Amino acid sequence: QKEVEQDPGPLSVPEGAIVSLNCTYSNSAFQYFMWYRQYSRKGPELLMYTYSSGNKEDGRFTAQVDKSSKYISLFIRDSQPSDSATYLCAIKKGSNYQLIWGAGTKLIIKP
Amino acid sequence: EADIYQTPRYLVIGTGKKITLECSQTMGHDKMYWYQQDPGMELHLIHYSYGVNSTEKGDLSSESTVSRIRTEHFPLTLESARPSHTSQYLCASSGGWGRAEETQYFGPGTRLLVL
Repeated sequence: QKEVEQDPGPLSVPEGAIVSLNCTYSNSAFQYFMWYRQYSRKGPELLMYTYSSGNKEDGRFTAQVDKSSKYISLFIRDSQPSDSATYLCAIKKGSNYQLIWGAGTKLIIKP
Repeated sequence: EADIYQTPRYLVIGTGKKITLECSQTMGHDKMYWYQQDPGMELHLIHYSYGVNSTEKGDLSSESTVSRIRTEHFPLTLESARPSHTSQYLCASSGGWGRAEETQYFGPGTRLLVL
């Protein structure tokens, strides 16, 4: 069983829709949760970072962590074509600096 | 925007050739990483370094080697390329204190095709 599971998609939605992207993880000891965005032909870039359960908001983006269910989500409001990218969840593994990555969900926002 | 650079961006090479993928960062980060990324698959850590003269193998078995002689430079070498090495290679770095230390900054990647 993979430590982090993420549906690869693709997920195609119309412009303006609310998007929900999700990951599940297996180890209840994980504490640091990240969402990265990767455009085609580019490296991933950090989008959101959360440490605890609950919600964290940044503009149109909201990251949510449910530690009881071992479930993390990224919500995008008022989605734009420029949001079309692959979104990867990443979890910090233990006390070192390594990350465990989901496979990424390809998101397509149709104008 | 992160100041981390990779060259070449694209490389097509024949089997058996020796190749070196370059990675440099100007942020003074102590930690650097090499990942392999295939379409639809998660990033796999192949090498990492926590400082000069410190290198470790990651979770994914790799026939490549790395060196860290200078803080800013972390090249990856394949002594004899094979078609199974065809992939995208991503270099990343991280550093600082607290939350910032967890953030990995990525280069644009090198797409390698071995014929």
